[in-house]
Amino acid sequence: EVQLVESGGGLVKPGESLRLSCAASGFILNNAWMSWVRQAPGRGLEWVGRIKSKTDGGTPDYAAPVKGRFTISRDDSQNTLFLQMNSLKTEDTAVYYCTTYTSGYSRDWGQGTLVIVSS
Amino acid sequence: QSALTQPPSASGSPGQSVTISCTGTSSDVGGYNYVSWYQQHPGKAPKLMISEVSKRPSGVPDRFSGSKSGNTASLTVSGLQAEDEADYYCSSYAGSNIVVFGGGTKLTVL
Repeated sequence: EVQLVESGGGLVKPGESLRLSCAASGFILNNAWMSWVRQAPGRGLEWVGRIKSKTDGGTPDYAAPVKGRFTISRDDSQNTLFLQMNSLKTEDTAVYYCTTYTSGYSRDWGQGTLVIVSS
Repeated sequence: QSALTQPPSASGSPGQSVTISCTGTSSDVGGYNYVSWYQQHPGKAPKLMISEVSKRPSGVPDRFSGSKSGNTASLTVSGLQAEDEADYYCSSYAGSNIVVFGGGTKLTVL
């Protein structure tokens, strides 16, 4: 059974940084493309970005609102996906979900981790 | 990239059918057969219901079906049940390695 467990969320001030982790189990992370999706309180889903498997190049791509501030990376040896978030803004406040990614869709989702950016 | 357009709400009585639309452009919905639909109950993570326009993952009831015509995709829920009451989101690949979501539709079972 696929399991994705996010961690690392919390309360930070505008301009600060935070790194989220996603521990994967039940499948071979090596072969998987992965993504991050976020949801601001009371709002809809917003795609953050995705990273290809290492065998497919391992390159990330990002949505415009986070490009240049967020970095997606992976450590397949640790079965872990990361989201490094720098220069955080209040509008980045959201629950962040880690997902498996295939052909433009997210099959498996974690339970999410809440990030609050507030002074 | 602009979000896809969904009606904010939809409703139906138990046993009825409801269709939720998702309108994009030729750069996303109309340009690729990579439309997906997600169900989200309050306080829970989203769940994939339909991928690649009309494919139903294992375990999703066949009461859920997806289709697309031009720049508009649709999710139809037949034989509505109380547990179908949830928020539904569409999503589409939008080229240049980007994905866009719709604003979501709250489905109420009357």
